Amino acid sequence: DVKVTQSSRYLVKRTGEKVFLECVQDMDHENMFWYRQDPGLGLRLIYFSYDVKMKEKGDIPEGYSVSREKKERFSLILESASTNQTSMYLCASSLTLPGQGVDTQYFGPGTRLTVL
Amino acid sequence: AQTVTQSQPEMSVQEAETVTLSCTYDTSESDYYLFWYKQPPSRQMILVIRQEAYKQQNATENRFSVNFQKAAKSFSLKISDSQLGDAAMYFCAYRFRDDKIIFGKGTRLHILP
Repeated sequence: DVKVTQSSRYLVKRTGEKVFLECVQDMDHENMFWYRQDPGLGLRLIYFSYDVKMKEKGDIPEGYSVSREKKERFSLILESASTNQTSMYLCASSLTLPGQGVDTQYFGPGTRLTVL
Repeated sequence: AQTVTQSQPEMSVQEAETVTLSCTYDTSESDYYLFWYKQPPSRQMILVIRQEAYKQQNATENRFSVNFQKAAKSFSLKISDSQLGDAAMYFCAYRFRDDKIIFGKGTRLHILP
């Protein structure tokens, strides 16, 4: 079974702090994604990566950055946390299937971040 | 731009009954993928069912099936013999080839014992 883990289930930080959210997958997937989930807004893509050292902006990248130094690990960074970044953050990973593109995404358990 | 719309923010169904969750999408493409994901309370999001647009046959996974109407751009999820464990938030999602997945806003499904 694919396993996607996230470093914390719950996190409380103060405004202005630098926050690191870590995601690790154990199935050698090329593609990794960071979403935030807010009530009434569904899932919104923040950043994604199709390979090590590669990153692409999603729909709402402002205020975030990412790092992918190793294939299995994809980090989301909040350089200076703000209260409007209080949210549930979901990490996902997937394979790329030859001729079919990006395969089904497998999600981590999520990190509920509160910024005070 | 592609969009995914789930018009029912919440639904309830009696245990053992059948329920249908609606999803419509907007795209100009002909080759794409559609998904239903389930997110139980405080638990991980998992894939329920997947449909390739080029396939005419509706996908089925045990008690879960879809009604894929390509011309109408409709992709509804039917859950038969509803069980308490089906209570969750359900997300409809769309993906075009190598592009990113676009999710709907979700439908919260309650199962009444």
